[in-house]
Amino acid sequence: QKEVEQDPGPLSVPEGAIVSLNCTYSNSAFQYFMWYRQYSRKGPELLMYTYSSGNKEDGRFTAQVDKSSKYISLFIRDSQPSDSATYLCAMSEGSSGNTPLVFGKGTRLSVIA
Amino acid sequence: DVKVTQSSRYLVKRTGEKVFLECVQDMDHENMFWYRQDPGLGLRLIYFSYDVKMKEKGDIPEGYSVSREKKERFSLILESASTNQTSMYLCASSFVGGAWGYTFGSGTRLTVV
Repeated sequence: QKEVEQDPGPLSVPEGAIVSLNCTYSNSAFQYFMWYRQYSRKGPELLMYTYSSGNKEDGRFTAQVDKSSKYISLFIRDSQPSDSATYLCAMSEGSSGNTPLVFGKGTRLSVIA
Repeated sequence: DVKVTQSSRYLVKRTGEKVFLECVQDMDHENMFWYRQDPGLGLRLIYFSYDVKMKEKGDIPEGYSVSREKKERFSLILESASTNQTSMYLCASSFVGGAWGYTFGSGTRLTVV
């Protein structure tokens, strides 16, 4: 079983839809959770960052962590064509260690105008 | 604006050549990483470094080596390029622990012919 599972998609939605992207994980020691957005032929950029369980909102984006279920989500409200990208989840056990982040394989999202 | 700069966006090399990919960061980050990204396989960690002159193998180090002589610079070396090393190569950096996320470069698309 891989440490982080992420549905690769592709996911295609109409403009204005609510998008839900998800990752599951097996390592209960993960405490830091991130979402990266990667446009075609570009490097990933950090989109959202969450520590432990709970929700975090930033504009149209909401990151949600459920540690009891080992499940994280990214919601995009009022999706726009500019949101079309690959979204990668990433996780870490903690800031004191030097274990690299564990990434999901990414979900490709297309928002159709 | 903080940056991770990769020296080339596109490279074409011949089989058997020694290839150098350079990465420079201006954020005084301790940690630096080299990944390759292939369709369906996600990000795969090649090597990482937590300090000058220090290196650790990632998940797929075979056929690669690295050099970190200065804190801001991390080089990836393909000792004898092969066609199966055709890929997108991404450099990243972070503060100690990396729990605050990585900053990625724009990537180098390497084609080995």
